[in-house]
Amino acid sequence: DSGVTQTPKHLITATGQRVTLRCSPRSGDLSVYWYQQSLDQGLQFLIQYYNGEERAKGNILERFSAQQFPDLHSELNLSSLELGDSALYFCASSGGAGVSGELFFGEGSRLTVL
Amino acid sequence: EDKVVQSPLSLVVHEGDTVTLNCSYEVTNFRSLLWYKQEKKAPTFLFMLTSSGIEKKSGRLSSILDKKELSSILNITATQTGDSAIYLCAVTETSGSRLTFGEGTQLTVNP
Repeated sequence: DSGVTQTPKHLITATGQRVTLRCSPRSGDLSVYWYQQSLDQGLQFLIQYYNGEERAKGNILERFSAQQFPDLHSELNLSSLELGDSALYFCASSGGAGVSGELFFGEGSRLTVL
Repeated sequence: EDKVVQSPLSLVVHEGDTVTLNCSYEVTNFRSLLWYKQEKKAPTFLFMLTSSGIEKKSGRLSSILDKKELSSILNITATQTGDSAIYLCAVTETSGSRLTFGEGTQLTVNP
């Protein structure tokens, strides 16, 4: 158990809908990272938050947004969903502002868009 | 843009075999290279290699960083069925704001 909690574990929805994925980092970790893992693309970095502020942005679509709240949990919002958004979405956390050591990954949220 | 390429993409071996997984990278201002193992779900950390620590070993697993060739290998000796997993290589740069992952190597160890 990495200490990172993600909900929901599974989510099935229709095209055009909007979903919210939630992540609670390890106790004491200030950074949260979101990754998307599709079958054909490996783990793709989406966005990082550090202590409530966006710190780095990767290949995140405009239809996607994220935020980190004062209690340090984070949410990833996916809107106007398309079939291609079906993937496993991972949240990871670390203590500092950057990756100085390992990232601790949650179990992921599997999103299926029908 | 940082880039990580792993090879082979998949590998099937028999228990007891030794395997070598490869990772090459292109990154501006390299900081570290990390190996992760992903079984069913969450990737779990194996090793981190940096300019000051280019070789790591843990049990049957070992890894070496070649800074000149911008590459790394992960060796697994006396493989077991429990080693079956996707092995992911990732790099960070000095800003350390993200891990850039390769596509992974799917290792299958048959009894």
